[in-house]
Order: sequence, then C-alpha cells, then structure tokens
Amino acid sequence: DGGITQSPKYLFRKEGQNVTLSCEQNLNHDAMYWYRQDPGQGLRLIYYSQIVNDFQKGDIAEGYSVSREKKESFPLTVTSAQKNPTAFYLCASSMTVGTEAFFGQGTRLTVV
Amino acid sequence: AQSVTQPDIHITVSEGASLELRCNYSYGATPYLFWYVQSPGQGLQLLLKYFSGDTLVQGIKGFEAEFKRSQSSFNLRKPSVHWSDAAEYFCAVGVRGMNTGFQKLVFGTGTRLLVSP
Repeated sequence: DGGITQSPKYLFRKEGQNVTLSCEQNLNHDAMYWYRQDPGQGLRLIYYSQIVNDFQKGDIAEGYSVSREKKESFPLTVTSAQKNPTAFYLCASSMTVGTEAFFGQGTRLTVV
Repeated sequence: AQSVTQPDIHITVSEGASLELRCNYSYGATPYLFWYVQSPGQGLQLLLKYFSGDTLVQGIKGFEAEFKRSQSSFNLRKPSVHWSDAAEYFCAVGVRGMNTGFQKLVFGTGTRLLVSP
C-alpha cells in the first residue's frame, strides 16, 4: 500500500536531548513537509522540501533541523534549542503544484 | 500574508441534521482550497479540494463545499450528519511559490464537530 509512515507514534524524551522523528513515503512524491500541531492553533509549517538535497524553513523552524538525502525520507530533528517541543508532529507529502498533500498518522512527542 | 479563518471553534449538531462549517481565506491569487478531517490522535484525511472550474465540489463521505470568490469563502456542508462525522475539520489554502510553482498548505485553526444523538 502506498502512503506515508511516521515513527514512532509516541515518543518521550528528557529535556535537553535531541530527538529525531522519522517520515518515509512510497508515493514517489517530490515535496515533503513537517507540520506541528498544538491545541487551538491548527497546523504550523516547520520545514518543507521540494526535491532531494533541498529544503526550506517554514514558519516555525527555530529549534528544528531536517535532511532530505533520499526522495522517500524526510527526518525531523527536534533539538534542545526548541523551547517548547511537546506537540503532535505531522509529516506530509505531495506532488508539485496542483495536487493535494497526504499526511502520515503523526508522532506525539512529550518532553519531560 | 496568506491566512485561513475558521470562526467556529466548536459546533454541535444533532445526528441527521444538516451541517455547515465556515472557512474564509486571504490570498492574493486564485486559491487552491482544501478541507481535511482529523480523528483524535490521527493524521489528516482529505475530504475535498478546489482548484478551478465548478465552484461546487463534491468530496468523500457525502461532503461538499462551495467556493465563493466574492466572499473569499469555502464553506463545507453535509445534508445529514452521522455520529461517525464527529471529528476536527481543517480548511487550508494552497500557496504557490513565486517561480517554482511550489505549493505549501496554510491551515485554519480547525472546527471541532460534536454530534448529539
């Protein structure tokens, strides 16, 4: 089945530790995205990538980093510089302009 | 800047009654518009989309939406709500890049639909 796989579904980390969230897609999509979701704030764009080895900051990139070494993979690292990392993180992918984005099932990160 | 407004944070509808969820957008060009649905703890599922053409678009699960350019709106409707429709609904506008045609989504803050017996 084609789709987007995020892992793990739940993640717990201690404050001050970096953590990497996985996102893999087998839809052959060029574009991939990371969104953060907080209650009452909708989804906010963290980073996006249009093609392999290229990515751009979204609206709330501070404290996050990404890589796009392969077309199907777009991991997100939440660094210790992110002041409030506890949130629900959603990965998505799409073809280029004119098509919709498909979402993974999300990773809930809790930092204690 | 592009933005999407969903003025209703919560809406409660009786099962079998009709539903309308409001969405207003701000975008300088012709918009690509989407409605997504999210069940608790899950990802987002696309309900329907508008790119061009007929301003009344049909989606999955019996949903439809109407694009009204003059009102900058893209309201979601369903004639008869089922208990399984209880979820959070997000409206989004697709933003195109200046030269590359790249599209990203800007989301509204969502409307939580509650369905009463």
